[in-house]
Amino acid sequence: DAGVTQSPTHLIKTRGQHVTLRCSPISGHKSVSWYQQVLGQGPQFIFQYYEKEERGRGNFPDRFSARQFPNYSSELNVNALLLGDSALYLCASSRTGGTVGSEQFFGPGTRLTVL
Amino acid sequence: GNSVTQMEGPVTLSEEAFLTINCTYTATGYPSLFWYVQYPGEGLQLLLKATKADDKGSNKGFEATYRKETTSFHLEKGSVQVSDSAVYFCALSDNYGGSQGNLIFGKGTKLSVKP
Repeated sequence: DAGVTQSPTHLIKTRGQHVTLRCSPISGHKSVSWYQQVLGQGPQFIFQYYEKEERGRGNFPDRFSARQFPNYSSELNVNALLLGDSALYLCASSRTGGTVGSEQFFGPGTRLTVL
Repeated sequence: GNSVTQMEGPVTLSEEAFLTINCTYTATGYPSLFWYVQYPGEGLQLLLKATKADDKGSNKGFEATYRKETTSFHLEKGSVQVSDSAVYFCALSDNYGGSQGNLIFGKGTKLSVKP
């Protein structure tokens, strides 16, 4: 079975531009979460979507937005890019989202570099 | 708010040495606890988990016990191998409220095992 897939693998943008990152969850998983991992740090929670509705949001500015589609894939959008947005963006899927101890399966990530 | 603190790395061990990576947490309620591993060039993989006090998670020779009295979830392995070289992340998930199921990570501990 295919795992969580993300595209693109790498991306280079300049300050002020916007970016769209994509994620396809494992088949049968209805929840997608997005995390930002800055070099040398642990991942930080950005958003969770379940059944196309936002379930949770981390402490990120409004420049960050996301959505989930009927096929449960998801997009993360970041506007007005800043140098500090350079990071590895991870997508994780789970069957239900929110179940006690439910496992999240992570994709390989998209490496975003902002120049 | 909820948080995870894990020991600073890097940790360098010889093959067959005993490994301990300390992890403590702060949380309201009763979080689930996880250890994730990130091998070089790969995404995060769940190593083990525990969902309630005194539970012991184990996998691939690694173990961790959920200690509510000391708010700890230390990772141990009796005999490490070169192939265990990776970055290890301790994490907790909220089991209540709007952010239920999302993960809060520690900063990660890099382990290098020398032959």
